[in-house]
Amino acid sequence: EPEVTQTPSHQVTQMGQEVILRCVPISNHLYFYWYRQILGQKVEFLVSFYNNEISEKSEIFDDQFSVERPDGSNFTLKIRSTKLEDSAMYFCASSDPWAGRETQYFGPGTRLLVL
Amino acid sequence: QKEVEQDPGPLSVPEGAIVSLNCTYSNSAFQYFMWYRQYSRKGPELLMYTYSSGNKEDGRFTAQVDKSSKYISLFIRDSQPSDSATYLCAMSEEGGADGLTFGKGTHLIIQP
Repeated sequence: EPEVTQTPSHQVTQMGQEVILRCVPISNHLYFYWYRQILGQKVEFLVSFYNNEISEKSEIFDDQFSVERPDGSNFTLKIRSTKLEDSAMYFCASSDPWAGRETQYFGPGTRLLVL
Repeated sequence: QKEVEQDPGPLSVPEGAIVSLNCTYSNSAFQYFMWYRQYSRKGPELLMYTYSSGNKEDGRFTAQVDKSSKYISLFIRDSQPSDSATYLCAMSEEGGADGLTFGKGTHLIIQP
């Protein structure tokens, strides 16, 4: 069964450093998303991406964040200068517009720890 | 004002019991309602997807939406220890925001 994959599974970084989180969405999906989940908190929407541009972003997705689809399979989230409060689980998701963009399939996540 | 409320639990029931999980919401524009299952330190797994009001059944799982009360439920019949997980409800508006709005999740424990 096709699935969303994410790398790395864990990332430890120093405050102020840049990190890039990588995702391979399900191959025939056209909508891509990033969410985050701070420990013990709700899953929160960050950004959606369609047709090579940001479709929507939340208040959390400020200038420190950027997304890119560098090739036909990868989807990345970059955090330019990490803060302690960026420590969270980051989930990538994708959806098939024919099935409905609401039916989003999530990857296993990248656990980011900022020290 | 919190948009989606969900009792965090834990909810502990014996194996074989019928489980009822619930969410309430405040945004009347929500039209799509999803249930996700999340095992510890894993990604949410889509279980059920319902549009507007009504019931939907898939095996041992039944999703129910009551838009007049802004209340959704997930029922699990013949619960198994492998059903032990956190169950997240999620919602979105029709033609609205791309991002899903999640509840905090209910931690369910099925005792063998």
